[in-house]
Amino acid sequence: NAGVTQTPKFRILKIGQSMTLQCTQDMNHNYMYWYRQDPGMGLKLIYYSVGAGITDKGEVPNGYNVSRSTTEDFPLRLELAAPSQTSVYFCASREAGTTDTQYFGPGTRLTVL
Amino acid sequence: GQQLNQSPQSMFIQEGEDVSMNCTSSSIFNTWLWYKQDPGEGPVLLIALYKAGELTSNGRLTAQFGITRKDSFLNISASIPSDVGIYFCAGQTQGAQKLVFGQGTRLTINP
Repeated sequence: NAGVTQTPKFRILKIGQSMTLQCTQDMNHNYMYWYRQDPGMGLKLIYYSVGAGITDKGEVPNGYNVSRSTTEDFPLRLELAAPSQTSVYFCASREAGTTDTQYFGPGTRLTVL
Repeated sequence: GQQLNQSPQSMFIQEGEDVSMNCTSSSIFNTWLWYKQDPGEGPVLLIALYKAGELTSNGRLTAQFGITRKDSFLNISASIPSDVGIYFCAGQTQGAQKLVFGQGTRLTINP
């Protein structure tokens, strides 16, 4: 298994541009998550999904959108990039059981100038 | 909302020393997790705890699920250079779909 994969690894955007961060997992996990990590800080939940077709807001959803058309994929969309969205973005997934843990992807480092 | 207080925020130690860090919560959790994040990488799970009072080891790492279910501890014995990184605690309540993360403890080791 490749686990959780994210693309791209790095990206620089200009203010107002849009982009999609890709996340794919091959573990057939029901739950998927998007976090952002600002420099020197912990993880903040942006959006999550408990299964295909179901998404919900996390702690910091403003400026982002998600979709979950398949079990494997959970893309994160930035429509109008702002400097405040400069961060490292992590995708994670887990099975549905309460004792199952989240597995993280390697991250996407995004800079908005 | 739920919050986790993780301490210390940073540690500067000598190689070979033991390390202790902890996480406390105002809420009860049913699961405690400890992750490590290396520079430029995503967090990697170190230890998972599922029962109050549980003590679990993973090599030189030992973690405990507090009896009150509101805290957890992570100890690293005989630290080595590859232990450098950021350690995060995370908690989950029964039936919850999300984890609550601590702010992280940044460990720096002087050779």
